[in-house]
Amino acid sequence: DAGVIQSPRHEVTEMGQEVTLRCKPISGHNSLFWYRQTMMRGLELLIYFNNNVPIDDSGMPEDRFSAKMPNASFSTLKIQPSEPRDSAVYFCASRIQGNTEAFFGQGTRLTVV
Amino acid sequence: AQTVTQSQPEMSVQEAETVTLSCTYDTSESNYYLFWYKQPPSRQMILVIRQEAYKQQNATENRFSVNFQKAAKSFSLKISDSQLGDTAMYFCAFLRLPFFSGNTGKLIFGQGTTLQVKP
Repeated sequence: DAGVIQSPRHEVTEMGQEVTLRCKPISGHNSLFWYRQTMMRGLELLIYFNNNVPIDDSGMPEDRFSAKMPNASFSTLKIQPSEPRDSAVYFCASRIQGNTEAFFGQGTRLTVV
Repeated sequence: AQTVTQSQPEMSVQEAETVTLSCTYDTSESNYYLFWYKQPPSRQMILVIRQEAYKQQNATENRFSVNFQKAAKSFSLKISDSQLGDTAMYFCAFLRLPFFSGNTGKLIFGQGTTLQVKP
């Protein structure tokens, strides 16, 4: 298996633009997580899906952030409009529900200028 | 709420030496898992080792071992015979069990410790 696949690996955008980050979980994994990593706040959980349904979105910072999982093999995290403080590395992780090990993608480094 | 604290932002060790990274956590739960993840410069998060809270025996994985002190809520990582490839940021993480509707099973991470192995 190719593991968790995220795209793009790097994204540079101007303030005010819409940004969409993509994630393909490992086949058969039915839990999916979006994390954000910054120097100041470390790794923060943004949202968690189970069987494509958002279970916990309490970490989503504000209404500018939205996430979807239209099917078991694809999820998106959208920021609209983007702001410089959104600059961070965004990770997607997946696991089999009930298992303890989560597998991470290589992350998307987002820079908003 | 659970919290994880790594009090050493940066550490360094000479190649072939042993180093210990510290982690403490706070929880009122009795059933949980603890993990150490490694994040090399490539950014990839790699699971190094995990410990089940109800197991008294400390987990080991080759050169990596943990010292799990449940009463003290301490979970340190020992790296023996350090190698240049061990240079990375290391994260301690907590996972509450069991999974049920009120427990989404989210990993809670510490702030990380940057480890540099020097030749």
